[in-house]
Amino acid sequence: EAGVAQSPRYKIIEKRQSVAFWCNPISGHATLYWYQQILGQGPKLLIQFQNNGVVDDSQLPKDRFSAERLKGVDSTLKIQPAKLEDSAVYLCASSFGQGAEGYTFGSGTRLTVV
Amino acid sequence: AQSVTQPDIHITVSEGASLELRCNYSYGATPYLFWYVQSPGQGLQLLLKYFSGDTLVQGIKGFEAEFKRSQSSFNLRKPSVHWSDAAEYFCAVGTTGGGNKLTFGTGTQLKVEL
Repeated sequence: EAGVAQSPRYKIIEKRQSVAFWCNPISGHATLYWYQQILGQGPKLLIQFQNNGVVDDSQLPKDRFSAERLKGVDSTLKIQPAKLEDSAVYLCASSFGQGAEGYTFGSGTRLTVV
Repeated sequence: AQSVTQPDIHITVSEGASLELRCNYSYGATPYLFWYVQSPGQGLQLLLKYFSGDTLVQGIKGFEAEFKRSQSSFNLRKPSVHWSDAAEYFCAVGTTGGGNKLTFGTGTQLKVEL
């Protein structure tokens, strides 16, 4: 079974620029998550999709972050404009159902904002 | 709101010694509990999970964890640590029911001395 694919693996941008991350979940997984992991902290949920609908985006800074999952498969997470404090690893995960079991994480995208 | 505390930021053990990583959680209902491991530059790999039933859970790589409801703890153990176990370990709690948001602790960095 192929894992959760994310790209790019690394990205360096200047503050106030925009950036986008891509995630392809495991085939058949209806639920997709984006987590932000700041250095020295545990991952924090940004947004959760069920198919192409948003289930929870309460922790997403909506003034600068946006995410979409148009066809219920791939997802993109965008930051515009980026701030220094957005430097983090952005992890995508997917699961088959809505239960907390069965999460699979991707390798993440490491973003550095300078 | 749920929360997870990992009181040890760093732990150093000698190869072959036993290991215990501590995790305390706060959640109003029966929790889903997880331990993940993260090697540098990698995503999160699931070591083990507890949903219900036997409170002693066996995982991959020789790890086990014990759920103690009275102490709100889910400590991770391994009888004999290998140098390849050096990594960061995260405890997480997931919501039951329809929501499956994972809340992570801040992690414990394990160093193994040869």
